[in-house]
Amino acid sequence: GAVVSQHPSRVICKSGTSVKIECRSLDFQATTMFWYRQFPKQSLMLMATSNEGSKATYEQGVEKDKFLINHASLTLSTLTVTSAHPEDSSFYICSAKHRDRGQWAEAFFGQGTRLTVV
Amino acid sequence: AQSVTQPDIHITVSEGASLELRCNYSYGATPYLFWYVQSPGQGLQLLLKYFSGDTLVQGIKGFEAEFKRSQSSFNLRKPSVHWSDAAEYFCAVGARPGGNEKLTFGTGTRLTIIP
Repeated sequence: GAVVSQHPSRVICKSGTSVKIECRSLDFQATTMFWYRQFPKQSLMLMATSNEGSKATYEQGVEKDKFLINHASLTLSTLTVTSAHPEDSSFYICSAKHRDRGQWAEAFFGQGTRLTVV
Repeated sequence: AQSVTQPDIHITVSEGASLELRCNYSYGATPYLFWYVQSPGQGLQLLLKYFSGDTLVQGIKGFEAEFKRSQSSFNLRKPSVHWSDAAEYFCAVGARPGGNEKLTFGTGTRLTIIP
């Protein structure tokens, strides 16, 4: 099957520091990866769409300078939360789509990263 | 813009009983509809999806869902639940505004199974 792995699964950081979250497709190549944020008892909200080799497309209201996304290879996308504050504490989830499958091919999800900013 | 409503935050069902999880969507065109399941500490797994054709869709793990355009609904059903079905379930609607695929998720329904 297709496996997407996120690292770390949990992270606690101090306010003002930056945190990097990795999303890897372990057994397939992904030209497109998606980053979501999930607040307690709320929906997954799409933050940005990441395409390999190009700039990410951010959703309205998402600060691209605060949430830096890099998709440098077909198997890795990273989300860096810069100058983190307590309100950035959340559950971040990525998903990845297989490069050789068409429109609305299944996106495989990572297990998520719980970020706590203290 | 599209939206999804899952009216039930938490449902408790006895093992072996039938299950129906509700999902209502709002979208101007023909929707692409999905159901995902999330177990604790794990990623989301696709249960089934509807794009077109037969409005009754069969998925994995014995789940099915029925698309009803007149009611803007895509309810998930299972005739007999197992303890392993306890998880969080998310309904999602897909759209491609400007060619960019986007999934909009509902708030989820937590399913508890009792013996």
